[in-house]
This record gives sequence, C-alpha cells and structure tokens, in this order.
Amino acid sequence: EAGVAQSPRYKIIEKRQSVAFWCNPISGHATLYWYQQILGQGPKLLIQFQNNGVVDDSQLPKDRFSAERLKGVDSTLKIQPAKLEDSAVYLCASSVSRAPLQYFGPGTRLTVT
Amino acid sequence: GESVGLHLPTLSVQEGDNSIINCAYSNSASDYFIWYKQESGKGPQFIIDIRSNMDKRQGQRVTVLLNKTVKHLSLQIAATQPGDSAVYFCAEPPRSGYSTLTFGKGTMLLVSP
Repeated sequence: EAGVAQSPRYKIIEKRQSVAFWCNPISGHATLYWYQQILGQGPKLLIQFQNNGVVDDSQLPKDRFSAERLKGVDSTLKIQPAKLEDSAVYLCASSVSRAPLQYFGPGTRLTVT
Repeated sequence: GESVGLHLPTLSVQEGDNSIINCAYSNSASDYFIWYKQESGKGPQFIIDIRSNMDKRQGQRVTVLLNKTVKHLSLQIAATQPGDSAVYFCAEPPRSGYSTLTFGKGTMLLVSP
C-alpha cells in the first residue's frame, strides 16, 4: 500500500513570496490533515479535512495560509505572502474517516529567507 | 490547558541496552494513545498504540505501558539498535471520538554503537 505522498520535499523562498505544497493521501482515507512542525517541536495541526470539507481550521493563520481539497483526494496548502517564521516542515497526514491513527507523509521542508 | 508532555528531551543509550521513553498526559478522559517515531528528514511513523482499557501492549521489540493512576505512559525498546535513533512522540486525541492529535515536544533517542 502506497503511503502519503508530498511534494516538493524542499523549498527555499524569500519572504513575501508565495509557495504551495501538494499532498496525496493514502487511497481510501477520507480524513486529511496539514501540520506545521517547527524545529525541535511536535507537529501542530493547521487544518483538517473530511472528504472535501473543512472540519477544523482554528489554528490556520487565514490571513496568509489557505488550503483546499476540491475533489476529496489530493490537497494543496498555500502560503502567501511567506514570513520568516513560516520556516518549518509541513507535514500531511491521512486517516480512515475520523480515526485517530494518522499516517504521515515525508514532509516539505520550507526555508524562508 | 490539557496537554501531552515528555519528561526527558534527550536519551542516550548504548547499542543493545533497553530504552525507556516517558510521557505524561493531563487529560484523565483520554482513552487512546499513540507512539510515533520520527527519523531525521522523515515524517512521524506509527510505532504502537494503546487504549485506556489496557495496561500494557507489546509489539516487535517495543512495549507500551499505561498507568492511568498517575496519567503516565512509557515506551520501552528492547535491545536498542542504532536504527532506533530518532525523536519519539506520544500523541492523543484531545477528547474521545475526536481524531485530531495533540503531540508533545518529543524525546530524542541517541544510540551509540
């Protein structure tokens, strides 16, 4: 069974630029999550989708971050404009519908200079 | 607020030793816990989980112990190998039936040959 796929794996941008990350969850997993993981910390949830609907985006900085999962499968997370403090690893995870056990992708390491 | 935390940020062991990684939780209503392993440059990988109706669960070289009286769980790794070097997180859903996970800061396990 293929795992959660993410791209790109690394991205370096200048502050005020925009960036987008892509995630393909495990086949059949209805729930998809985006996390931000700052170096030395545990992952912090940004947004949770159930199929193509948002379940929880309370921690998403909506003035600059946006995410979508239009067809209930792939998802994109966008940052516009980026700030220095957005430098982190962005992890995508998926689970069987609303099950707590989540499977993570390899992450995208973002560096904002 | 309710949280999941770890006692030791770094644990250094010799190859072949047994390792014990501890985690304290504050939500007495928590009924499910997951341990993840995160190697450098990778996403968190599921190791083992345990439900609150159990005190102990064993996997391959790993055992999780749950002490609900003192709200503590531990991950024991037998015959630790260099490949076990990683950051270990415990995680829990903040409330029963809810799929979002709360992660602690993590414990880094360093295994010397």
